[in-house]
Amino acid sequence: EPEVTQTPSHQVTQMGQEVILRCVPISNHLYFYWYRQILGQKVEFLVSFYNNEISEKSEIFDDQFSVERPDGSNFTLKIRSTKLEDSAMYFCASSANIEQYFGPGTRLTVT
Amino acid sequence: DQQVKQNSPSLSVQEGRISILNCDYTNSMFDYFLWYKKYPAEGPTFLISISSIKDKNEDGRFTVFLNKSAKHLSLHIVPSQPGDSAVYFCAARTNFGNEKLTFGTGTRLTIIP
Repeated sequence: EPEVTQTPSHQVTQMGQEVILRCVPISNHLYFYWYRQILGQKVEFLVSFYNNEISEKSEIFDDQFSVERPDGSNFTLKIRSTKLEDSAMYFCASSANIEQYFGPGTRLTVT
Repeated sequence: DQQVKQNSPSLSVQEGRISILNCDYTNSMFDYFLWYKKYPAEGPTFLISISSIKDKNEDGRFTVFLNKSAKHLSLHIVPSQPGDSAVYFCAARTNFGNEKLTFGTGTRLTIIP
């Protein structure tokens, strides 16, 4: 069964450094998303992406964040200058219609 | 801004019995509701969804009920199995394009053998 994959599974970085989180969505899906979950809190929407552009973004998704689909298979989330409060699980999701399918997540730890 | 609420943080049910997880919402523009199951260190796994034009959807052991007038939905799992032990999230979306999901805070379900 097709699935969303994410790399790395765990990323440790120092405050102020740039990180890139990678996702490979399900191949025939056209809609892509990033969500995050801070420990003990609920899953929060960051950004949605369709037709090579951002379709919606949340207040969390400020100028430090960017997304890209550099080729036909990858979907990336870049955080330019990480802060301590960016520490969270980051989930990529993709969908063809209504249901969104999530990857296993990347645990980002900012020290 | 709690548009989707799951008021029970945890629930314990004996194996073989029915598990009922509840979810309330406040945004009347939501038109699709989804349930996800999450194990530790994994991503949410889609379980079942329901459109706002229906009041029930069933898939195997999982049934979701929607009461639009009460802005309430529930997930029934019967019979409950030990592998059902996980955190269950209710999520909702509107029907404007392919929209973001708004999640509840989750209910940790523990199935007692």
